[in-house]
Amino acid sequence: RKEVEQDPGPFNVPEGATVAFNCTYSNSASQSFFWYRQDCRKEPKLLMSVYSSGNEDGRFTAQLNRASQYISLLIRDSKLSDSATYLCVVYMEYGNKLVFGAGTILRVKS
Amino acid sequence: GAVVSQHPSRVICKSGTSVKIECRSLDFQATTMFWYRQFPKKSLMLMATSNEGSKATYEQGVEKDKFLINHASLTLSTLTVTSAHPEDSSFYICSARGESHEQYFGPGTRLTVT
Repeated sequence: RKEVEQDPGPFNVPEGATVAFNCTYSNSASQSFFWYRQDCRKEPKLLMSVYSSGNEDGRFTAQLNRASQYISLLIRDSKLSDSATYLCVVYMEYGNKLVFGAGTILRVKS
Repeated sequence: GAVVSQHPSRVICKSGTSVKIECRSLDFQATTMFWYRQFPKKSLMLMATSNEGSKATYEQGVEKDKFLINHASLTLSTLTVTSAHPEDSSFYICSARGESHEQYFGPGTRLTVT
């Protein structure tokens, strides 16, 4: 089983739509969680950290369910510029490293 | 967010030559730097972790003699791909981490070995 699993998509949505991505992780000892976005042929960029209480940053909302080992990202009012690959990332204290999911592709169309 | 630079952004070299890639954290001191490679449509794969002043820790399957990592200061780490072969062609990305667990990535180096 992969340490971090995501639905690869692609998710094709119209502008203005709400879209949700899910991610599961296998190691219950994981401590910190993040969503990164990666544009084609570019480096990943931190979108937001994910906290147990859930957190929101503008149109983006992230949720963490430790009991189910599940992380989600909700994007409201999708923009064309949101088109990218969204990476679910988990920090493993054992190994002191980030573990990346394979990413979920989002395509927002006009 | 923090700024990490990487140089060069793109390099083409002949098989058998060595290539050095530099990674710098520009506005913070990076206690730990990471080197990743990414193949098309695949996830980032961690190659090694380096802490300033100590030897890098390589992931399983990554040859330390082929991918030489030096972390000479809190703002600079280098990756040297020695005796490069076409199968080493990839997108190499460095990342730097400060006091928190948040990591910031360099813009990447696209290596093509002919």
